[in-house]
Amino acid sequence: GAVVSQHPSWVICKSGTSVKIECRSLDFQATTMFWYRQFPKQSLMLMATSNEGSKATYEQGVEKDKFLINHASLTLSTLTVTSAHPEDSSFYICSALGLAVDEQFFGPGTRLTVL
Amino acid sequence: AQKITQTQPGMFVQEKEAVTLDCTYDTSDPSYGLFWYKQPSSGEMIFLIYQGSYDQQNATEGRYSLNFQKARKSANLVISASQLGDSAMYFCAMREGIGSYQKVTFGIGTKLQVIP
Repeated sequence: GAVVSQHPSWVICKSGTSVKIECRSLDFQATTMFWYRQFPKQSLMLMATSNEGSKATYEQGVEKDKFLINHASLTLSTLTVTSAHPEDSSFYICSALGLAVDEQFFGPGTRLTVL
Repeated sequence: AQKITQTQPGMFVQEKEAVTLDCTYDTSDPSYGLFWYKQPSSGEMIFLIYQGSYDQQNATEGRYSLNFQKARKSANLVISASQLGDSAMYFCAMREGIGSYQKVTFGIGTKLQVIP
């Protein structure tokens, strides 16, 4: 099946710094990618929908200036957590839609810890 | 309103028995899709099964089957012959919209534990 990678798989940073997470579709072109965050023992919360070549669509309550999303190519979307704080510590997962309606491929996730 | 509702925070099942995980959904889109994913403690999301809103037959994938009742807006997952390795979180999700307006939202999940 198709593969989606995320980098880094985990990151620890100091409060106030910015962290960039990359999501790549390795063997297919992804017009639409999603970014989710997941707190421990909770569900995946959709943060935003990233479409190649256009601005991301953010879900209600998600700060677009805080979580910058760029989808500059059909194989890469990036999420930048700006001025990270401890409450931003979470598991961030991206997914990419395939061509078929039943295709959604997930990355392995990025565990962010902000000290 | 919740788009996806999973009412069972946790479930136990005896090994080799069948178990049903509940999922109801809410949408006004005529075309949508329903997914079930398994998430073990490692965090990876494992695709299990998919049901399209226009599919006439219930989806099946090996030991997994989806009991799709469109009028009731329910899409329950049935796991037959449970195995110890089935212990994990299970999430129901729904895909709505078309083109660049698509989105996939998740329920809160059900933690399944298989007992030897």
